[in-house]
Amino acid sequence: QKEVEQDPGPLSVPEGAIVSLNCTYSNSAFQYFMWYRQYSRKGPELLMYTYSSGNKEDGRFTAQVDKSSKYISLFIRDSQPSDSATYLCAMSAAGGSEKLVFGKGMKLTVNP
Amino acid sequence: DVKVTQSSRYLVKRTGEKVFLECVQDMDHENMFWYRQDPGLGLRLIYFSYDVKMKEKGDIPEGYSVSREKKERFSLILESASTNQTSMYLCASSRSSGRFYEQYFGPGTRLTVT
Repeated sequence: QKEVEQDPGPLSVPEGAIVSLNCTYSNSAFQYFMWYRQYSRKGPELLMYTYSSGNKEDGRFTAQVDKSSKYISLFIRDSQPSDSATYLCAMSAAGGSEKLVFGKGMKLTVNP
Repeated sequence: DVKVTQSSRYLVKRTGEKVFLECVQDMDHENMFWYRQDPGLGLRLIYFSYDVKMKEKGDIPEGYSVSREKKERFSLILESASTNQTSMYLCASSRSSGRFYEQYFGPGTRLTVT
């Protein structure tokens, strides 16, 4: 089993839809959970991070972590064409190596 | 504003050539990373460095080496390029404390080995 599994894509939705992106993981030591966004022909950039369990909201974006199920989600409300990108989940163990373990990424297209 | 720059956006090399990919960051970050990104495989860590002259193998170090002589610069070396090293190469940097989970990425170098 891979350490981090991300739902395969691609995903295509109409503008205004609610988008749900998900990852599962197997390493109980993971404490930091991140979502990176990567536009075409660019490097990834950090979108949101969560420490341990719970929810975090930033504008139209909500990140959720359920450590009991080893499952994380990113929700995008009122999706816009500018949200079209590849979304990568990433995780890291607290207090250990500062390597991030990335999911494979899901390509999202929001159609106007 | 953190900036990570990579020496080339596109590179075409022949099999057997020695290839140097350069990365420079301007935020005095301690950590630097080299990844390759391939369709269906995602981001895979090749090497990383916690400090000048320090290096650690990542998940796929075979066929690669690195050099970090100055804090701001991290080089990836393909000793003898092969066609299976055709890929997008991404450099990243991060602080060693605080927001270590925030890696800043360069724009990438698309390397084609023919």
